Amino acid sequence: AQSVTQLGSHVSVSEGALVLLRCNYSSSVPPYLFWYVQYPNQGLQLLLKYTSAATLVKGINGFEAEFKKSETSFHLTKPSAHMSDAAEYFCAVSDGQAGTALIFGKGTTLSVSS
Amino acid sequence: GAVVSQHPSWVICKSGTSVKIECRSLDFQATTMFWYRQFPKQSLMLMATSNEGSKATYEQGVEKDKFLINHASLTLSTLTVTSAHPEDSSFYICSLRGLAGETYNEQFFGPGTRLTVL
Repeated sequence: AQSVTQLGSHVSVSEGALVLLRCNYSSSVPPYLFWYVQYPNQGLQLLLKYTSAATLVKGINGFEAEFKKSETSFHLTKPSAHMSDAAEYFCAVSDGQAGTALIFGKGTTLSVSS
Repeated sequence: GAVVSQHPSWVICKSGTSVKIECRSLDFQATTMFWYRQFPKQSLMLMATSNEGSKATYEQGVEKDKFLINHASLTLSTLTVTSAHPEDSSFYICSLRGLAGETYNEQFFGPGTRLTVL
């Protein structure tokens, strides 16, 4: 079985500061890992994904994540936060099998103050 | 990537009525679609996997007679909440999955439908 744990339900940073959102996964097979962002009353937008290629994955809006197998982690970072980054962020895992859904973490709310 | 639409985006209904939510793939033929629900300030919980031309597969604890899923074509899946009650009020999101190429294993989400049952 697969699972995802997001440490910290709420993260607050100042504009321009480093953003670090933590995600640890559990999987018995090589995982596919994703980060999604959700703005209020909207669906999910893919930020980036890891699919067993490069361990450092660059996504949209300046976000990136590094897959660390030894730590079973896939933390999301952004060097400099912007006010528009305030949203809900979800880490998700898949086993890569056709027809299987994503398993989501509980989400982390990112607040950005000026 | 695929474009997924949902209709309606917001619906308010009286307790005891049934509500149908449509999930359409606008540019992608999806043999499999997924239905999630999301309560306020919570994560997405998978409700069921919708397979074109066959019965949906429901997750444990999800009542299949209450949440009727029909995947009649490669571009349309519907979720009907039957005899809705206030506790069914939630944000319902559908998604479909890429099966090949750059989008392999990526899921494309609809914008969601907010259901409020009075």
